[in-house]
Amino acid sequence: DAGITQSPRHKVTETGTPVTLRCHQTENHRYMYWYRQDPGHGLRLIHYSYGVKDTDKGEVSDGYSVSRSKTEDFLLTLESATSSQTSVYFCAISDLSSLRRFRSPGELFFGEGSRLTVL
Amino acid sequence: QQQVKQSPQSLIVQKGGISIINCAYENTAFDYFPWYQQFPGKGPALLIAIRPDVSEKKEGRFTISFNKSAKQFSLHIMDSQPGDSATYFCAATEETSGSRLTFGEGTQLTVNP
Repeated sequence: DAGITQSPRHKVTETGTPVTLRCHQTENHRYMYWYRQDPGHGLRLIHYSYGVKDTDKGEVSDGYSVSRSKTEDFLLTLESATSSQTSVYFCAISDLSSLRRFRSPGELFFGEGSRLTVL
Repeated sequence: QQQVKQSPQSLIVQKGGISIINCAYENTAFDYFPWYQQFPGKGPALLIAIRPDVSEKKEGRFTISFNKSAKQFSLHIMDSQPGDSATYFCAATEETSGSRLTFGEGTQLTVNP
């Protein structure tokens, strides 16, 4: 296992409430990503991080914010959840400097996902 | 706007048959093309990957064929097994972008015994 833990794994919430998903890694890898997975869309990048306090937007960042105050934790926040944010959220890590751990510099290791339902 | 198009959406193959999944991309700056395999309830995992300096890469029963001029690449699974039943995603990235992968829509493969 790549040492990635997502929490919570399942959450049901109501429209308009704030939600925070947590990704925790034990690999000390520099790069972390949040993707969402929806039928017919594959996985789409929400936000990513190159290091502590260094984050940037992906292709579907509207309505989401992230924070990374420690190397091991990457938080995804929905300030006011909407039904369109019902999805499965995946965290991933990579370390372009570590060729021993990864078969390729472009390899991502994914967590097991967090299923969010917004009613 | 989907920069990586994948087909088919679903595929049913008999055990021992060949499974073929196709992808096309638009961004000529992409220089790394991985395939990920995902089982139900799990996150995707890297299966095999190719760079555009080669036209084919084989690892066991899995082969990527790459056509740079057509901006297309495909995954071939030889001697398909029921254990190969999963969702497959093609992806692409510029390696200098920090592994920000752009994924295809996914193909749900079912291999019947």
